[in-house]
Amino acid sequence: GAVVSQHPSRVICKSGTSVKIECRSLDFQATTMFWYRQFPKQSLMLMATSNEGSKATYEQGVEKDKFLINHASLTLSTLTVTSAHPEDSSFYICSAIYSIGEKLFFGSGTQLSVL
Amino acid sequence: GQQLNQSPQSMFIQEGEDVSMNCTSSSIFNTWLWYKQEPGEGPVLLIALYKAGELTSNGRLTAQFGITRKDSFLNISASIPSDVGIYFCAGRTEGVQFYFGTGTSLTVIP
Repeated sequence: GAVVSQHPSRVICKSGTSVKIECRSLDFQATTMFWYRQFPKQSLMLMATSNEGSKATYEQGVEKDKFLINHASLTLSTLTVTSAHPEDSSFYICSAIYSIGEKLFFGSGTQLSVL
Repeated sequence: GQQLNQSPQSMFIQEGEDVSMNCTSSSIFNTWLWYKQEPGEGPVLLIALYKAGELTSNGRLTAQFGITRKDSFLNISASIPSDVGIYFCAGRTEGVQFYFGTGTSLTVIP
């Protein structure tokens, strides 16, 4: 299957700092990527839809100034958690649509811990 | 966003037993996907379904696209310890967005 690479896999940061998470489609071009947040033993919560060359579409309740998304190329989307606080600690996952076959492939996730 | 009803929420089974789980929706879907997620990892695609009534296998896993297009089923035959994880369904309607089930946590007892 198609490969989506997410980096870093784990990050620990101090409160008030910003953290950038990268999501790359390694062997296909992804016009659309998604960013999710997942709490322990819960399902995926969609945060935003990232479209190449345009502004991201955020789900209700997700602060766009807090979670900055950039999709500057067909193979890379980034999520920046600005001025992170302990309540932002979570598992963040990205996914990309593989247009041939209309499949959705996920990155390996990023565990963010804000101290 | 819309969330799919997935059941059961959790299963504890003996190694060798078969497993069945399902997802239902109030909306008609064009695509159903099934994933397995292990702790600290992203979901891994198991099976993709695109037509009502479609039955697709991947090793010991078999999934079906319900004929009403509002449900899908996943079966695992002869379970083994490495089947442990959380299984999610995902469905897509006309747009690009996928909706996810609440997950089924599977525990296999050796």
